[in-house]
Amino acid sequence: AQKVTQAQTEISVVEKEDVTLDCVYETRDTTYYLFWYKQPPSGELVFLIRRNSFDEQNEISGRYSWNFQKSTSSFNFTITASQVVDSAVYFCALSEALHLDGSGNTGKLIFGQGTTLQVKP
Amino acid sequence: EAQVTQNPRYLITVTGKKLTVTCSQNMNHEYMSWYRQDPGLGLRQIYYSMNVEVTDKGDVPEGYKVSRKEKRNFPLILESPSPNQTSLYFCASSLYRGPNQPQHFGDGTRLSIL
Repeated sequence: AQKVTQAQTEISVVEKEDVTLDCVYETRDTTYYLFWYKQPPSGELVFLIRRNSFDEQNEISGRYSWNFQKSTSSFNFTITASQVVDSAVYFCALSEALHLDGSGNTGKLIFGQGTTLQVKP
Repeated sequence: EAQVTQNPRYLITVTGKKLTVTCSQNMNHEYMSWYRQDPGLGLRQIYYSMNVEVTDKGDVPEGYKVSRKEKRNFPLILESPSPNQTSLYFCASSLYRGPNQPQHFGDGTRLSIL
């Protein structure tokens, strides 16, 4: 069965600290995609990144960086020099693979439980 | 502007009173789905639709109905809402169902069933 686990329910940091949000996933598929979404207090879901299972290069976008480690089935997200505006719930998600025979992949995203990040001034 | 529009954004209602949450997308996407978000559980898929007149159950379909009569619309129907359906609901769409397809989410509908 496919599963995404975000073991950190809540994290609280002081502004300018670095913070890492953990994401561990389970899947039997060899081809899959991983995502991170941000949900600010206003409630909408903001897409942050998509990574396919064949691309293990780390990615950096401004203060955000992602560490994909297939060996440990992890896709961790680091915010450098956190800011108050980073306060939000962050979700990691896994997309089911689409098999060659057309089976699998209902288009569903399998979400983790979410990590609430609070950045204090 | 490309978007997924849900209505209403907020609704407080009572047990048993039928309600419909509308979802419309303007991107000509084939694939649409509904999720509910609950504390500690993340988002879980309720129903999905791969195209017009093609719908199927997700992980938590009990108590919900959907229809897909037009490509752009995918309403979520609660025939007889109950308090355990109090939740934050999201509609999503993508061009098709492939795993690499970015999903566009609506802004969410917060339902409270008393």
